[in-house]
Amino acid sequence: DVKVTQSSRYLVKRTGEKVFLECVQDMDHENMFWYRQDPGLGLRLIYFSYDVKMKEKGDIPEGYSVSREKKERFSLILESASTNQTSMYLCASNTRGRWDIQYFGAGTRLSVL
Amino acid sequence: TQLLEQSPQFLSIQEGENLTVYCNSSSVFSSLQWYRQEPGEGPVLLVTVVTGGEVKKLKRLTFQFGDARKDSSLHITAAQPGDTGLYLCAGATGGGADGLTFGKGTHLIIQP
Repeated sequence: DVKVTQSSRYLVKRTGEKVFLECVQDMDHENMFWYRQDPGLGLRLIYFSYDVKMKEKGDIPEGYSVSREKKERFSLILESASTNQTSMYLCASNTRGRWDIQYFGAGTRLSVL
Repeated sequence: TQLLEQSPQFLSIQEGENLTVYCNSSSVFSSLQWYRQEPGEGPVLLVTVVTGGEVKKLKRLTFQFGDARKDSSLHITAAQPGDTGLYLCAGATGGGADGLTFGKGTHLIIQP
């Protein structure tokens, strides 16, 4: 079974803090994704990566950056957290051959106070 | 930007009833996926459909892809409390991650 692991289930941070959300997958998938999920807005793509050291902006990249130094790990960085970044963050991965099917982690619920 | 409209947004029914959830778009998709997400968890893939008119069954769940590949439905027969969750559809237009569109989901509650 594909396993996508997000390092934290719950995080509470203060405005202005630098926040790291980590995601690791164990299936040698080429593609990795970060989404945020908000009530009434659904899933919105923040960033994705097709390969190590590669990154592409999604629909809402503002206020976020990413890092992919190893194939299995994809990090989401909030340089200076703001209250409007309070959300559920979901990491996903898939293989180049079936980019339409996403395997999700359990999510990180981030609260910025 | 492709849009996927899911309906209804919320549905609460009694155990044993049947229900249908719809996923509609004006865009044509190369494939369409259905996911279920339980509270506090990530979405889990239920099924993917790729051919217009395709019907797939997963126990009491029946998924159908429209003939024109613009819409899909999920029908649950004899719903059980374990079916409770958020059901998401996602459509792929065939070219990378930015070609994947998610619906906003249907919140389903099955009351015992």
